[in-house]
Amino acid sequence: EPEVTQTPSHQVTQMGQEVILRCVPISNHLYFYWYRQILGQKVEFLVSFYNNEISEKSEIFDDQFSVERPDGSNFTLKIRSTKLEDSAMYFCASREGQGNEKLFFGSGTQLSVL
Amino acid sequence: AQSVAQPEDQVNVAEGNPLTVKCTYSVSGNPYLFWYVQYPNRGLQFLLKYITGDNLVKGSYGFEAEFNKSQTSFHLKKPSALVSDSALYFCAVRGIAGSARQLTFGSGTQLTVLP
Repeated sequence: EPEVTQTPSHQVTQMGQEVILRCVPISNHLYFYWYRQILGQKVEFLVSFYNNEISEKSEIFDDQFSVERPDGSNFTLKIRSTKLEDSAMYFCASREGQGNEKLFFGSGTQLSVL
Repeated sequence: AQSVAQPEDQVNVAEGNPLTVKCTYSVSGNPYLFWYVQYPNRGLQFLLKYITGDNLVKGSYGFEAEFNKSQTSFHLKKPSALVSDSALYFCAVRGIAGSARQLTFGSGTQLTVLP
């Protein structure tokens, strides 16, 4: 089965630093997502992306966050100035298209902000 | 706002016995309902979904779920549990308009199947 690939698997950074989390969605998918899971808490929606623009974003996704699809294959999440509370597992997901509800998730990037 | 409740943090069942993982939801309009499974150090994997049609939906690995509109429930079931079914299970719901179109997950239920 095709996979969503995320790199790195672990990222440690200092508070205030910028981080970029990288994802390669499944090649023929059109909808892309970022979710996060703080340890012991629910998986939370951050942002969805379609046709080279953000289609939905949650309250969590403030001005410190941005997403980009710089080429035909990568989908990145940037956090400009990390805070301690940004420490979480970040999941990328993709979906084929309209009418196909199945989300494929990557294995996640564990972000630790010190 | 839409929400999902998984009332049990932990479910233990003996191998070979039937299992049930409970889920109730709240959403405006007709729900789209999902179950995902998470194995250690892995991303969430799709198990099954209910959009419309038969209330009993069958999914991967022998799992099934029953949609009950009057009870707003979507419990996950399997007739005979395997040790390899041990994992974290998430129920999710989404609506059909605006921000409700995004998946809202429950808090997860850790299933342990004892040999």
